[in-house]
Amino acid sequence: AQTVTQSQPEMSVQEAETVTLSCTYDTSENNYYLFWYKQPPSRQMILVIRQEAYKQQNATENRFSVNFQKAAKSFSLKISDSQLGDTAMYFCAFIGTYKYIFGTGTRLKVLA
Amino acid sequence: NAGVTQTPKFQVLKTGQSMTLQCAQDMNHNSMYWYRQDPGMGLRLIYYSASEGTTDKGEVPNGYNVSRLNKREFSLRLESAAPSQTSVYFCASSEVDTGNEQFFGPGTRLTVL
Repeated sequence: AQTVTQSQPEMSVQEAETVTLSCTYDTSENNYYLFWYKQPPSRQMILVIRQEAYKQQNATENRFSVNFQKAAKSFSLKISDSQLGDTAMYFCAFIGTYKYIFGTGTRLKVLA
Repeated sequence: NAGVTQTPKFQVLKTGQSMTLQCAQDMNHNSMYWYRQDPGMGLRLIYYSASEGTTDKGEVPNGYNVSRLNKREFSLRLESAAPSQTSVYFCASSEVDTGNEQFFGPGTRLTVL
């Protein structure tokens, strides 16, 4: 069975500092996508970053980057220069064939 | 573009009542999904529709039914609501050609008393 595990239920970081959220997954598929979604208090789910499994290069989007280790099935999210607006739940997600699997989320609080 | 819309935003039901959650997307996506979100459990897939005319069970389908009315609309029905169905429900859509990003609606907070 495919699973996604986020082992950090809650984290905090000082404004302007860097934080890394961890995610591991399990699958027997070779072609798949991995995502990080952000859910602020407004409840709206927002895509942060996407990684295609066949691409070795780690994805980056401004202050957000990933460390994708395919052999280890690890997909961590690094947030640089943390801002107060980054306070949110962060979900790691996987898609193989049609079905998306989400992790249980990490609640990140950015402290002023 | 409105993206993905859901109605209603909030709903309170009594045990045994029925209701339908509506979802529509205007992005011409083939795939649509219904999730429930509960504290500490992330998003769990209830049902999905890979394309118009097809529906499949997800991880937690019991107590729910779905209808893919057309390419735009995908509804979720609770025939006899139970307190265990108290949750926040999200509809989403995606397209393979756009990198499989899921676009989510604003969610429906449902309370079953």
